[in-house]
Amino acid sequence: AAGVIQSPRHLIKEKRETATLKCYPIPRHDTVYWYQQGPGQDPQFLISFYEKMQSDKGSIPDRFSAQQFSDYHSELNMSSLELGDSALYFCASSLTGYEQYFGPGTRLTVT
Amino acid sequence: QQQVKQSPQSLIVQKGGISIINCAYENTAFDYFPWYQQFPGKGPALLIAIRPDVSEKKEGRFTISFNKSAKQFSLHIMDSQPGDSATYFCAASIYGNTGKLIFGQGTTLQVKP
Repeated sequence: AAGVIQSPRHLIKEKRETATLKCYPIPRHDTVYWYQQGPGQDPQFLISFYEKMQSDKGSIPDRFSAQQFSDYHSELNMSSLELGDSALYFCASSLTGYEQYFGPGTRLTVT
Repeated sequence: QQQVKQSPQSLIVQKGGISIINCAYENTAFDYFPWYQQFPGKGPALLIAIRPDVSEKKEGRFTISFNKSAKQFSLHIMDSQPGDSATYFCAASIYGNTGKLIFGQGTTLQVKP
């Protein structure tokens, strides 16, 4: 069965640089979620999109923005990167509004 | 403030034993309670989930027990295997509120051979 695809899987950036993370949801899923997971922590909700419209926003810094495109893939744009942004970033997709299926994640390292 | 509290933080179980992880929540509007399994460097994988209209759900070796009045739910892993060694997260969400997941702090399970 098709799963959520995320790219890149690993990303190394320097402070103050910009990063773009991509997410391709499971086919026919209409909702995409972004989560951030720091080392040894639980995933924290950042933002979600339903049918290409932002549906909810969590603890997402103003330096971050995201959107969902007509083909339902989503991108998380992160600017002015800080050391504290180093984390695993997960995308999840859902069809029912309940079950969320997570991608393999993007490991972002800011040096 | 952690909306979903999970315990224990870590758990060591012998092969064949029962692993039990507990979660408690405050927001009575939560209406969906999934459990996720996560291996190091991997994405969380949906294990099993329950809605508040049932008190128990079983899928293979995994069982969720749900106590609505106490606002608690737990995961039981029967016949625990070394391959079950991972971090387990409980979570909660509200369907009408876009369904974002609120996670517990996680439990690191080690199953000894």
